[in-house]
Amino acid sequence: DTEVTQTPKHLVMGMTNKKSLKCEQHMGHRAMYWYKQKAKKPPELMFVYSYEKLSINESVPSRFSPECPNSSLLNLHLHALQPEDSALYLCASSQAPQGGERWYGYTFGSGTRLTVV
Amino acid sequence: SQQGEEDPQALSIQEGENATMNCSYKTSINNLQWYRQNSGRGLVHLILIRSNEREKHSGRLRVTLDTSKKSSSLLITASRAADTASYFCATDAMNDKIIFGKGTRLHILP
Repeated sequence: DTEVTQTPKHLVMGMTNKKSLKCEQHMGHRAMYWYKQKAKKPPELMFVYSYEKLSINESVPSRFSPECPNSSLLNLHLHALQPEDSALYLCASSQAPQGGERWYGYTFGSGTRLTVV
Repeated sequence: SQQGEEDPQALSIQEGENATMNCSYKTSINNLQWYRQNSGRGLVHLILIRSNEREKHSGRLRVTLDTSKKSSSLLITASRAADTASYFCATDAMNDKIIFGKGTRLHILP
């Protein structure tokens, strides 16, 4: 299995809703990531989990709450989002934490298209 | 601040022609990668080139790296309609942070 699977593919939520995005990989990768991408922009890093521990939080608002239940799963819990949070949310994984001599690049999921109304 | 900057921002060529995209960066790097993104989907890793390498090939893709000029190029030969996508370079700066460039939108005309 060489894929990162994200669910759901599309999500529409109100500003008072609570929802979760899910990401799964079975490649034995030890680092997992959440990225946010607006239209015609590059992906922006949100969170990094390395060996199931949160290692990087790029000053993301607390209405986004990541969770890594085990080495294969990554969740992003959403609460009280704003319309400007509408974007494509990408999950990625890598064999080793990003950067350095053991870096071989990301494997990305196909993303969740989130619309906040 | 953006580490990688792709050039051009958009490129339209006829099917069968070669497409060249460039990426410039500001600080020393360990690695540079190129990714492809079809509209509204996830990114696909194309090639990773390390700082001690100058050229790498993968099928119709050729990547060069010039660390003295802090630049890289991605050449796609014999382009096909399926190559229509956005292409991003991503640099691994010495602080192990991966930074994506703004991307080149490539459109292959039939």
